Amino acid sequence: DAKTTQPPSMDCAEGRAANLPCNHSTISGNEYVYWYRQIHSQGPQYIIHGLKNNETNEMASLIITEDRKSSTLILPHATLRDTAVYYCIVRVSGGYQKVTFGTGTKLQVIP
Amino acid sequence: GAGVSQSPRYKVTKRGQDVALRCDPISGHVSLYWYRQALGQGPEFLTYFNYEAQQDKSGLPNDRFSAERPEGSISTLTIQRTEQRDSAMYRCASSLVPSGRNTYEQYFGPGTRLTVT
Repeated sequence: DAKTTQPPSMDCAEGRAANLPCNHSTISGNEYVYWYRQIHSQGPQYIIHGLKNNETNEMASLIITEDRKSSTLILPHATLRDTAVYYCIVRVSGGYQKVTFGTGTKLQVIP
Repeated sequence: GAGVSQSPRYKVTKRGQDVALRCDPISGHVSLYWYRQALGQGPEFLTYFNYEAQQDKSGLPNDRFSAERPEGSISTLTIQRTEQRDSAMYRCASSLVPSGRNTYEQYFGPGTRLTVT
């Protein structure tokens, strides 16, 4: 699996959009970008994933650059409950494979 | 429905003792994963199963660690002759492989906090 690079921490004002960047310059053509988050001591929670097109669901939007070497997770209206560590992972989609988490980005939403 | 459950939630053991950590995945989920997470770090892959078959155990730190899933459902991670460095949160996850889709989200359990004294 390709490696990813994320800033260790970010702050965001409550109600504002949180934009979390991720670099994955060595991503392969068949690798997807996945985002998970981990709130305090809970287990990681799946947020969204994509291959090359931008994706949106009820939780977030994922913007992937045309060359696929970086992506941005967008939380459109951050709330205090979005304070968590956000992990960007790239991996081949096809089921039975391990997921390698890095250290992620600690997002602090500020009132 | 019920999520992934793990037991015990907390385990304190003395160095040298064996421990068994249990994971009960979401019913019907094909794949089961074990991770270890140190404080301030992301989860570290240990091993995973498809049904009852162990597919990848490359993340197991050494031969004191083993895992099984004999009937393709519940799994047990066993650590023999525990050492203080084994202290960590041990997390289990499961995933379903729905036909026609290529997304395999993993659903994580609450974890077992292991402390070796």
